[in-house]
Amino acid sequence: DGGITQSPKYLFRKEGQNVTLSCEQNLNHDAMYWYRQDPGQGLRLIYYSQIVNDFQKGDIAEGYSVSREKKESFPLTVTSAQKNPTAFYLCATGQTMNTEAFFGQGTRLTVV
Amino acid sequence: RKEVEQDPGPFNVPEGATVAFNCTYSNSASQSFFWYRQDCRKEPKLLMSVYSSGNEDGRFTAQLNRASQYISLLIRDSKLSDSATYLCVVGGTYKYIFGTGTRLKVLA
Repeated sequence: DGGITQSPKYLFRKEGQNVTLSCEQNLNHDAMYWYRQDPGQGLRLIYYSQIVNDFQKGDIAEGYSVSREKKESFPLTVTSAQKNPTAFYLCATGQTMNTEAFFGQGTRLTVV
Repeated sequence: RKEVEQDPGPFNVPEGATVAFNCTYSNSASQSFFWYRQDCRKEPKLLMSVYSSGNEDGRFTAQLNRASQYISLLIRDSKLSDSATYLCVVGGTYKYIFGTGTRLKVLA
């Protein structure tokens, strides 16, 4: 099946812990994105990557890090520096900016 | 001013009603426009792209007004299953910019 796979679906993090969210795609799209959504809020861009080995900060990059070593994969690490990490995290891909974005099913992260 | 603005709603309408949402965007150079639907606790899914000439898909019609920098979504004959949040999305140079969404609740 073609698509975007995010894992895990639910993740619990202890205070001070780093966690990594996985995003894998087999759509052969160059561009990949990480968004964060808080309850009742819109999507805010964390990081994006237009091509392998290159990525750019979005609007709320502080406390997050990413890598793009392979076209298919764009993992997001939520570091201990992120003070309020509880949120719904969505990974998306796009072929060009004139075509739609496709989303994974999301990871719901909770700090315990 | 936000890059993409939407009325958050909620819009509560009876079944069978026609409802319209508007969305304004600030960057006049924007080239691509979309409406997404998001159900509670799920990922957004593409409802329809918005073309300069306007486009229709069944009960849904999307329009683009470049001069006034807004896009619209019209839903005719609303169904209970249309209850969701509708996100306006604008394609920027390197990223998609999302509105905060408009909540629709269709009542029996």
